Amino acid sequence: AQSVTQLDSQVPVFEEAPVELRCNYSSSVSVYLFWYVQYPNQGLQLLLKYLSGSTLVESINGFEAEFNKSQTSFHLRKPSVHISDTAEYFCAVRGATNKLIFGTGTLLAVQP
Amino acid sequence: DTAVSQTPKYLVTQMGNDKSIKCEQNLGHDTMYWYKQDSKKFLKIMFSYNNKELIINETVPNRFSPKSPDKAHLNLHINSLELGDSAVYFCASSQDSWERHTEAFFGQGTRLTVV
Repeated sequence: AQSVTQLDSQVPVFEEAPVELRCNYSSSVSVYLFWYVQYPNQGLQLLLKYLSGSTLVESINGFEAEFNKSQTSFHLRKPSVHISDTAEYFCAVRGATNKLIFGTGTLLAVQP
Repeated sequence: DTAVSQTPKYLVTQMGNDKSIKCEQNLGHDTMYWYKQDSKKFLKIMFSYNNKELIINETVPNRFSPKSPDKAHLNLHINSLELGDSAVYFCASSQDSWERHTEAFFGQGTRLTVV
């Protein structure tokens, strides 16, 4: 069965500092990986995805994630965060079962 | 031009009542889902329909019954509401086949409060 682990429930960081949100997955088959962002009282928005090809994927607002098959990870990074990046971030995996399974989420709290 | 829309956005009701949440997508997707997000933000899949056919049915009380009149709509009916049903319910859709998996697009959620 596939699963996703986000070890950090909350990551506090100062504005303009770099950040990494960790995501590890387990699956016995090829997977598709996603990061979603949820701003307060809103729905989930896709941030970026890995389906195939280049292991480094980027979003339009400066986030990037790297698929690492050997470490079964898909960590999310941003070199310099803004106050507006404060939100809940969810890693998700999709495998042979066709279910989109989510991690427990990481609250990125950007402080001035 | 909302891609996935849910109604209502907020729903407050008493225990024991029956309520429905409606979902519509205008993306032409074949697959639709219902997810439940609890107070700790944990997202759990409840149901999935592909072309009006139920393909995923997780361990959910049978008081919850999804209905898909066509592939653009997936409604969720809940009978005999309980306090523990309070959560945010998200509808989502995606364009899938066994050869191609894509991301899911989510609605804005329905915050259900049972009192």
